[in-house]
Amino acid sequence: EADIYQTPRYLVIGTGKKITLECSQTMGHDKMYWYQQDPGMELHLIHYSYGVNSTEKGDLSSESTVSRIRTEHFPLTLESARPSHTSQYLCASSEPPTGGDTGELFFGEGSRLTVL
Amino acid sequence: AQTVTQSQPEMSVQEAETVTLSCTYDTSENNYYLFWYKQPPSRQMILVIRQEAYKQQNATENRFSVNFQKAAKSFSLKISDSQLGDTAMYFCAFMKPIYSNYQLIWGAGTKLIIKP
Repeated sequence: EADIYQTPRYLVIGTGKKITLECSQTMGHDKMYWYQQDPGMELHLIHYSYGVNSTEKGDLSSESTVSRIRTEHFPLTLESARPSHTSQYLCASSEPPTGGDTGELFFGEGSRLTVL
Repeated sequence: AQTVTQSQPEMSVQEAETVTLSCTYDTSENNYYLFWYKQPPSRQMILVIRQEAYKQQNATENRFSVNFQKAAKSFSLKISDSQLGDTAMYFCAFMKPIYSNYQLIWGAGTKLIIKP
């Protein structure tokens, strides 16, 4: 089992609410990612981080923001949720494929967000 | 720009049959990594198998093996003796080399259904 955890697993909220999706990993990985995925569809990278105090936007434009104050923690925040934000959000972490590491991404179980 | 193409949106086979999922990619790089990930329904995404481009030998993991054709830029996944638990979305991914910071490029996925 991968040591990466996401909360909440499911969230149903009303339009305009602020939400934070939590992601924590205990593997000491520097690289962390947030992907957005509609059911049965491809993954879209929305944010990533190379380490503490590093955050970058991904390929898919997103109104969400992220922070990386601690290595193990990479929360995603939506200031004002809208129905178009309804989706599954996957958090992942990895190390580069050097020094014995494989480059494998370890994924959390996902946070399924529904905005009414 | 690198791209990854999975041409089979959905496949279904009978239990115990062998199935091959196709993946092609486009790159001008010589050193890179290729991955197959599995996403079971409502469960975590996990790594199935990885291949380093500089290795000519095809990777194998128990019932899972790849046919890596570097010149043709093809990376297919073969599942032998398929089981009901193999039902999942399968994603092919290409990892850029070090100077691109090992970014991942994902295919659109193939939904595989194993029928009893």
